[in-house]
Amino acid sequence: GQSLEQPSEVTAVEGAIVQINCTYQTSGFYGLSWYQQHDGGAPTFLSYNALDGLEETGRFSSFLSRSDSYGYLLLQELQMKDSASYFCAVRDPTGNTPLVFGKGTRLSVIA
Amino acid sequence: GAGVSQSPSNKVTEKGKDVELRCDPISGHTALYWYRQRLGQGLEFLIYFQGNSAPDKSGLPSDRFSAERTGESVSTLTIQRTQQEDSAVYLCASSLIGTNYEQYFGPGTRLTVT
Repeated sequence: GQSLEQPSEVTAVEGAIVQINCTYQTSGFYGLSWYQQHDGGAPTFLSYNALDGLEETGRFSSFLSRSDSYGYLLLQELQMKDSASYFCAVRDPTGNTPLVFGKGTRLSVIA
Repeated sequence: GAGVSQSPSNKVTEKGKDVELRCDPISGHTALYWYRQRLGQGLEFLIYFQGNSAPDKSGLPSDRFSAERTGESVSTLTIQRTQQEDSAVYLCASSLIGTNYEQYFGPGTRLTVT
C-alpha cells in the first residue's frame, strides 16, 4: 500500500523557522516533492528531492532521508504570505499514479 | 507560454445531471492528470494520460466517471448522473513525461451538486 503522514496543522510566528515533516510508506520510491496551496488556489510546485540531503531554494529548503523514509520542508524567515497548505508527494513508479500526495499540513503564520 | 486552463471555473448542477469538465494543458506537456479535492482535504488522484498510452482508470471512483484526451492536448472529465458526494474542486495538472514530480496545476473547477 501507499501512505504518507504529515501533521495536519502547524502554527508559527512571523520571522521564525518552521519544519514540516513527512514520513512515507510506498511500494516504490523515486523521490519526494513538496507543493504549496493557498486557500482557493491551485497547488504549486516547491521542490523535489531524489537523493538524500538538503536542497535549498531561497527561504525554503527540503530534506530527504531515504533510509528513514522521511523528509521535511523547512521554511525560514516566515512571512504572513507563507500561510497555506503544504503537501508532500512521493514519486512511486509502481502504483496507478506517478505522484502520491499526502493529506497536507495547514501552516498558519501569526504576528 | 500560458499555464494550465480549466473550464468552467464553477459549475452548479442538479443531482442526476451529467457534467463535463475541460482541461487545456501547457503546450508540449505530454502528461496530464486529474485530481479531486474535497473542502479542506488532500488531493485524490483520478486518472492520468501519458502520451498516446491508454490511461489507467483504476483511480476513478465509480463507473460514472470517465475521461478522454485528444492527442496531447485537451482533456475532458465527464461525470454522469451526478451525486451530492461528487461536489468538490476538480484539478487538472500537466507535466513533461520525464518530470512527473513537477506538475503544473490549473485553477480547478468547483463543482456543486444540489
